[in-house]
Amino acid sequence: GQSLEQPSEVTAVEGAIVQINCTYQTSGFYGLSWYQQHDGGAPTFLSYNALDGLEETGRFSSFLSRSDSYGYLLLQELQMKDSASYFCALDNYGQNFVFGPGTRLSVLP
Amino acid sequence: DGGITQSPKYLFRKEGQNVTLSCEQNLNHDAMYWYRQDPGQGLRLIYYSQIVNDFQKGDIAEGYSVSREKKESFPLTVTSAQKNPTAFYLCASSIGKGQETQYFGPGTRLLVL
Repeated sequence: GQSLEQPSEVTAVEGAIVQINCTYQTSGFYGLSWYQQHDGGAPTFLSYNALDGLEETGRFSSFLSRSDSYGYLLLQELQMKDSASYFCALDNYGQNFVFGPGTRLSVLP
Repeated sequence: DGGITQSPKYLFRKEGQNVTLSCEQNLNHDAMYWYRQDPGQGLRLIYYSQIVNDFQKGDIAEGYSVSREKKESFPLTVTSAQKNPTAFYLCASSIGKGQETQYFGPGTRLLVL
């Protein structure tokens, strides 16, 4: 089967940079996705890494290393509105997606 | 505007009752998914469908059933066999195999009376 691990909570101050890590176990996959979910809301797509390396989308970047079974989401210039839960998810060869347990990010003023 | 709609927003179930959660999408997506989310937890896959008239069980399918008679609709029935149904239910869709982005509906919160 597939499994993912993430830190349960991360705290940072406004304007700072924070990295949310994701380690996984799988026999194979297409790519690693990241989603953001505010309390009571639906997850929204942030980024996808099909290949090793860094993908940048505005203030958010995501990284994947298949050899290390590891990825991370990097959030720069943190804003209060970035306080949310962040999930990594494995793309299981396009069949379905397996989500990690989520990391709750708290941004302090 | 294209998107995914779920109804109702809140649903109450009595003991021994089956309830059906609606999910509709007008994105012309082939694939649709149902997830369950418990407080403070991640998303667990209940059922998914890659094409009309076909669907597969996810990790926690017991006590649930689905149908996919139309491309745009993927209703989920929570049966009386599901003994602990209180959760947040999320429906999602994607273009299809190999497509990396899932679009989520607003969710239905199911509570047991």
